[in-house]
Amino acid sequence: QVQLQESGPGLVKPSETLSLTCTVSGASISSSSYYWGWIRQPPGKGLEWIGNIYYSGSTYYKPSLKSRVTISVDTSKNQFSLKVSSVTAADTAVYYCARRPRRIAAAGNDAFDIWGQGTMVTVSS
Amino acid sequence: ESVLTQSPGTLSLSPGERATLSCRASQSVSSSYLAWYQQKPGQAPRLLIYGASSRATGIPDRFSGSGSGTDFTLTISRLEPEDFAVYYCQQYGSSPLTFGGGTKVEIK
Repeated sequence: QVQLQESGPGLVKPSETLSLTCTVSGASISSSSYYWGWIRQPPGKGLEWIGNIYYSGSTYYKPSLKSRVTISVDTSKNQFSLKVSSVTAADTAVYYCARRPRRIAAAGNDAFDIWGQGTMVTVSS
Repeated sequence: ESVLTQSPGTLSLSPGERATLSCRASQSVSSSYLAWYQQKPGQAPRLLIYGASSRATGIPDRFSGSGSGTDFTLTISRLEPEDFAVYYCQQYGSSPLTFGGGTKVEIK
């Protein structure tokens, strides 16, 4: 079955860059049928979409985060990555990677259907 | 940006009862691109409903979704012990994708 696994440092200093990787198993990240996304959840709060990437490298970001966020894909490793620069305490959250099917007509099929378990990242000196 | 408002914030019910959760969007959600997720403590969200009313793979039929435009509903016909959790709606019809603030369904 398809599984996603986040990895990266659990502690990042303010003003530095947060870097996470999502490793996909059981499926090819090069499939034209899926986008791959990042979502985060501050402690005790709701979910926030960060952005998506397609295997071709096309990216889509939340406008309010766009200036600090970079999502990239490494098809040779079946991984995609997230970088958030100039982090502050407000970036402290559980970060999830997830799969999003490519839209088929108006079927509404393109919600996030498979999620990683999430990784906690704390921004603190 | 489409803001999703979920109500109530907390729903206190007993097993076997019916749960009705609401999600209201500040802008019409195009083509019913509205999903519902369930999240239990320490776990990732799980997709329940997509396209406003289609159940995801493996989701029991006690979960149903309805609505269109700006008003959507998730109904759990008879609550099972494993259904007590937080539920989020999400719109993915326009960018940026947005989530509601969540409804916690707790045991009364």
